[in-house]
Amino acid sequence: QITLKESGPTLVKPTQTLTLTCTFSGFSLSTSGVGVGWIRQPPGKALEWLALIYWNDDKRYSPSLKSRLTITKDTSKNQVVLTMTNMDPVDTATYYCAHIHFTIRAFDIWGQGTMVTVSS
Amino acid sequence: DIQMTQSPSTLSASVGDRVTITCRASQSISSWLAWYQQKPGKAPKLLIYKASSLESGVPSRFSGSGSGTEFTLTISSLQPDDFATYYCQQYNSYFGPGTKVDIK
Repeated sequence: QITLKESGPTLVKPTQTLTLTCTFSGFSLSTSGVGVGWIRQPPGKALEWLALIYWNDDKRYSPSLKSRLTITKDTSKNQVVLTMTNMDPVDTATYYCAHIHFTIRAFDIWGQGTMVTVSS
Repeated sequence: DIQMTQSPSTLSASVGDRVTITCRASQSISSWLAWYQQKPGKAPKLLIYKASSLESGVPSRFSGSGSGTEFTLTISSLQPDDFATYYCQQYNSYFGPGTKVDIK
């Protein structure tokens, strides 16, 4: 059974860097075809794809946020980390991580999400 | 960037209705389109991948079609559990703006 869980601060100040960790079980990021992505959703708004990392360390970023994002994986810990620099109140959102397989290019298993508020 | 649009943005329907939601991509994405259902306070749930493949465990009243730039999600007979917001997504990246299906 695949599960994912997001963790990180619930409150960050403007200009700070956000670091979120996705800890997963039931699969390995060393298995061919497997990936983990990050998606966010501001309150009452639509989903926004942020970043994705595959088993082979192929990394993809949303072009509009690419300069602020870094995604890394720690295969031994079954974790994926997303950092977002220069946080702003408009970045207030629920942040989700999700499992993906290269053959379907869709997020089939999602974490429960973690709410991050950006405020001074 | 490939832009995704959905129509309608809101859809009012009754139990038993046939419901169709359209998703358009600004350029061809072949069949690399997924559909998700999201209920308030919950994570999205994958319904359809590769435009027309039904995810395991999803009821057969859900179906997807299309290729290139135009895609549809159809619910053949709307059930009470189906009132939710639906999103399309191009291959592992951009999402559409969503379609809210509510009770007429």
